[in-house]
Amino acid sequence: GEDVEQSLFLSVREGDSSVINCTYTDSSSTYLYWYKQEPGAGLQLLTYIFSNMDMKQDQRLTVLLNKKDKHLSLRIADTQTGDSAIYFCAESFASSGNTPLVFGKGTRLSVIA
Amino acid sequence: DAGVIQSPRHEVTEMGQEVTLRCKPISGHDYLFWYRQTMMRGLELLIYFNNNVPIDDSGMPEDRFSAKMPNASFSTLKIQPSEPRDSAVYFCASSPSSHGQFFGPGTRLTVL
Repeated sequence: GEDVEQSLFLSVREGDSSVINCTYTDSSSTYLYWYKQEPGAGLQLLTYIFSNMDMKQDQRLTVLLNKKDKHLSLRIADTQTGDSAIYFCAESFASSGNTPLVFGKGTRLSVIA
Repeated sequence: DAGVIQSPRHEVTEMGQEVTLRCKPISGHDYLFWYRQTMMRGLELLIYFNNNVPIDDSGMPEDRFSAKMPNASFSTLKIQPSEPRDSAVYFCASSPSSHGQFFGPGTRLTVL
């Protein structure tokens, strides 16, 4: 079945790197996503990785995918107070067209100044 | 470029009342999704549409929930009658044919 697991909380100091981890169970997922949710707001698409890649970098964000272990991580370099939010990992099974996303419960990132 | 638009942003109603949530997807997107977010269950898919046609409504909790998409630029999610356990944040998201979903700001529903 489909299941996405994340740790619930992470606390880091401003300027340090944050690493948010996610594990998923379904190896047929094709795209894996990271979303950010600030208080009272919707989910903002941060980045994604296709399942045949193992790394993707986008400015301060680095996504690593280990398909063998079904493990996904999001690294935020030089973490700022504005990065404080809940981060959701999600998987999709779309090979063509689109399918609903299966989300983890989210990791609440707190950045300490 | 306007993103996904949802209204109302907040809704407070009494048990037994009808509630209608509205969504305008991003122009040109073929897919529209309705999700519900609660502390206990996280984000759950309720229903999704492709080209205005419902594809999967297995996530709709019960017959009290219904959703329509009369055209490519508008969708509604209706709860009748509403119950306190329906209190949640309801998100609409739209997507192009390829992949990636873009979320609206959500409607926070409180049923007293």
